[in-house]
Amino acid sequence: GAGVSQSPSNKVTEKGKDVELRCDPISGHTALYWYRQSLGQGLEFLIYFQGNSAPDKSGLPSDRFSAERTGGSVSTLTIQRTQQEDSAVYLCASSWAGNTEAFFGQGTRLTVV
Amino acid sequence: GQQLNQSPQSMFIQEGEDVSMNCTSSSIFNTWLWYKQDPGEGPVLLIALYKAGELTSNGRLTAQFGITRKDSFLNISASIPSDVGIYFCAGPLFGRGSQGNLIFGKGTKLSVKP
Repeated sequence: GAGVSQSPSNKVTEKGKDVELRCDPISGHTALYWYRQSLGQGLEFLIYFQGNSAPDKSGLPSDRFSAERTGGSVSTLTIQRTQQEDSAVYLCASSWAGNTEAFFGQGTRLTVV
Repeated sequence: GQQLNQSPQSMFIQEGEDVSMNCTSSSIFNTWLWYKQDPGEGPVLLIALYKAGELTSNGRLTAQFGITRKDSFLNISASIPSDVGIYFCAGPLFGRGSQGNLIFGKGTKLSVKP
């Protein structure tokens, strides 16, 4: 596609439920990033995929968070047993190999009630 | 962990004024990126810098890669109302298990002077 696409754009879930957030990167981009942004805050790094290398998971806040990237393209961020503090906007970005100019999607706004 | 420190945290602009903001780190970066984020949107890349001392412009925006490689500056000339938003600096982290993941500063929020 023309840009990074994220779905859903909004998600309301009950505390304790699992959620899956999807990211379709720009075609051909081998690097993919996930960030979390709480209201009025900066971007908190979560996880980084680069080609076939092992992902950098150093930013995942707990073992309830995980992410996969299938076939080097689409990525899914999964949050298990959601908590209210997980409420935030989750942003995905992608870039070409060896190039750190990352382009962002519109984000998924997650609300845990 | 590694941090990028942005200042000021917020500022008010009046149309026509020039605006300056900066980003500093205790570590050396080989790339500096500047993004702008409007409410409800993802950040949009404004300028990318790759060489120490480099000065790059994008319209009314000018950014510089500090000579020490530990800082960068963004200037906006003759500001207009649509310049309001949050400006983030970012850089790739290498070493100590990091493979080039981008880290971001906390942002500088530009608002219109009341």
